[in-house]
Amino acid sequence: DADVTQTPRNRITKTGKRIMLECSQTKGHDRMYWYRQDPGLGLQLIYYSFDVKDINKGEISDGYSVSRQAQAKFSLSLESAIPNQTALYFCATSAGGTDEQFFGPGTRLTVL
Amino acid sequence: QQPVQSPQAVILREGEDAVINCSSSKALYSVHWYRQKHGEAPVFLMILLKGGEQKGHDKISASFNEKKQQSSLYLTASQLSYSGTYFCGTPTGNQFYFGTGTSLTVIP
Repeated sequence: DADVTQTPRNRITKTGKRIMLECSQTKGHDRMYWYRQDPGLGLQLIYYSFDVKDINKGEISDGYSVSRQAQAKFSLSLESAIPNQTALYFCATSAGGTDEQFFGPGTRLTVL
Repeated sequence: QQPVQSPQAVILREGEDAVINCSSSKALYSVHWYRQKHGEAPVFLMILLKGGEQKGHDKISASFNEKKQQSSLYLTASQLSYSGTYFCGTPTGNQFYFGTGTSLTVIP
């Protein structure tokens, strides 16, 4: 079984809808991250969490919110989706700041 | 804040070597390298830490110049499987910034 899973893998939605992307991990890591990747570009940090009670905004947090329900679960919400949020979203985990990040398979989100 | 990588793209024949550079405007305390195949998740290659410690892939080498705020990834005797986009990344404060990416294509 995969160490980091994301659901759904693909989602098409309409402008103004609320969307939740979910991430689960079995690595036992405290640190979890949400990234966004636009076509042909690098990854940008949306939110990160160092433990259940510690959640922080990343570079591009506007329009997004997160919830850390447990050590193993970190969800990303788009309260009112807009077309320029169409992108590939990755969840990742790590044991520490200088440790490798393990990525989920990604969620491809299309907002019409 | 985003590290800048060069070149943006490179095409190699199998067996050739390549160097990918990563440069930051901020002080570097560690540099991560990842490879991403099209449509897939990034995969860890290696981490370089201040003081020279390295963790990661035993067939890929890299350098880390703290004073110049630069890192380079060395791919030798390239194989078809090396194709993909390479990203450097670095923690700055509590955040993490990935570089602009380098697309590498290895052809037979």
